[in-house]
Amino acid sequence: GQNIDQPTEMTATEGAIVQINCTYQTSGFNGLFWYQQHAGEAPTFLSYNVLDGLEEKGRFSSFLSRSKGYSYLLLKELQMKDSASYLCAVLSNDYKLSFGAGTTVTVRA
Amino acid sequence: IAGITQAPTSQILAAGRRMTLRCTQDMRHNAMYWYRQDLGLGLRLIHYSNTAGTTGKGEVPDGYSVSRANTDDFPLTLASAVPSQTSVYFCASSDLAGAGRDTQYFGPGTRLTVL
Repeated sequence: GQNIDQPTEMTATEGAIVQINCTYQTSGFNGLFWYQQHAGEAPTFLSYNVLDGLEEKGRFSSFLSRSKGYSYLLLKELQMKDSASYLCAVLSNDYKLSFGAGTTVTVRA
Repeated sequence: IAGITQAPTSQILAAGRRMTLRCTQDMRHNAMYWYRQDLGLGLRLIHYSNTAGTTGKGEVPDGYSVSRANTDDFPLTLASAVPSQTSVYFCASSDLAGAGRDTQYFGPGTRLTVL
């Protein structure tokens, strides 16, 4: 099975940087995903890591360390529209996704 | 291109009634999934299908059934709804092509309330 932990809530100021950590314990690993979910909407894909290291996509970056069972999502130059839940999910060897409970990020003016 | 559509958007249902949630994708993805999302618990997999004609059980399958008669459609049926099935239900699909192309894409969700 999978055990995925991430903080419940984070608050930051517009223009700042926020780092959302995710730790996982899995019985098999085929990649780690980050999704963004605005209130009342569907999750949307942000990033995918399968090798150790940093993947950068504009204002968002995601990091993975497989040996430590650790990932983080870095949101830079925060904007009000970044207020949302961020979901960490691990893909197992049988291609099932297991999700953490999500981190709600609130961006203040 | 619609991606994934779900119907209905929301539904209030009496306990004991039968209900089918519909999901259709037009991306020709091999795999489809049903999740439920409850406050504080995150998304949990109910059932999945890796290809048309096959289905499998996820983390919380009890009280639900699915079928996959073709590539595009993956309906979820609650045979006799109970209040604990009140949730938001998301359908998703993926290519299952490996090499980073296993990203799951989600439908807009169905908000179901069982009274």
